[in-house]
Amino acid sequence: AQTVTQSQPEMSVQEAETVTLSCTYDTSESDYYLFWYKQPPSRQMILVIRQEAYKQQNATENRFSVNFQKAAKSFSLKISDSQLGDAAMYFCAYYSGAGSYQLTFGKGTKLSVIP
Amino acid sequence: EAGVTQFPSHSVIEKGQTVTLRCDPISGHDNLYWYRRVMGKEIKFLLHFVKESKQDESGMPNNRFLAERTGGTYSTLKVQPAELEDSGVYFCASSQGWGGNEQFFGPGTRLTVL
Repeated sequence: AQTVTQSQPEMSVQEAETVTLSCTYDTSESDYYLFWYKQPPSRQMILVIRQEAYKQQNATENRFSVNFQKAAKSFSLKISDSQLGDAAMYFCAYYSGAGSYQLTFGKGTKLSVIP
Repeated sequence: EAGVTQFPSHSVIEKGQTVTLRCDPISGHDNLYWYRRVMGKEIKFLLHFVKESKQDESGMPNNRFLAERTGGTYSTLKVQPAELEDSGVYFCASSQGWGGNEQFFGPGTRLTVL
């Protein structure tokens, strides 16, 4: 069974600085999809960034980028120029690309942004 | 465009009672999912509908949980009878097309069983 591990339950970053959230996963599949979702306090979870395993190029979305290391099964999220609105729970998720559409989530990392 | 909505936002019930959670997906989304997060643990998949059909219910914990999706629109998740371990946040999500597409999540229903 696939598993997703987020080893940092909590992190903090100074406003305008850069922070990296870690995610590792375990799978025997060769083609799959990885996601980072963000859940601000008392708000809905939204997609931050998506990576297809067959693409070697790391996905980027404005200040958000990933470091996808397929061989190491690592998928970290880098947030540049952190803003107060980035404070949230961040969940790493995996989709196998076949069969069930279910997402497998990590436990999440709570990110605090210090003004 | 309206997002995924869930009702109620909070529910507090006694052990042994019944609770029904409702989810309204984004209009036009054929895929509807239920997930649950027990405090401090991962968000876990419960089941997946395609239109009104259950495509995958491998995550349903036991037969006290019953999910329906009437006419392929909104969905309900009934817990009967509720147990203490059912407490958690129940999320609904919806998506278009195939599994690699973005799933849009609702705000969740926080269920507390006393």
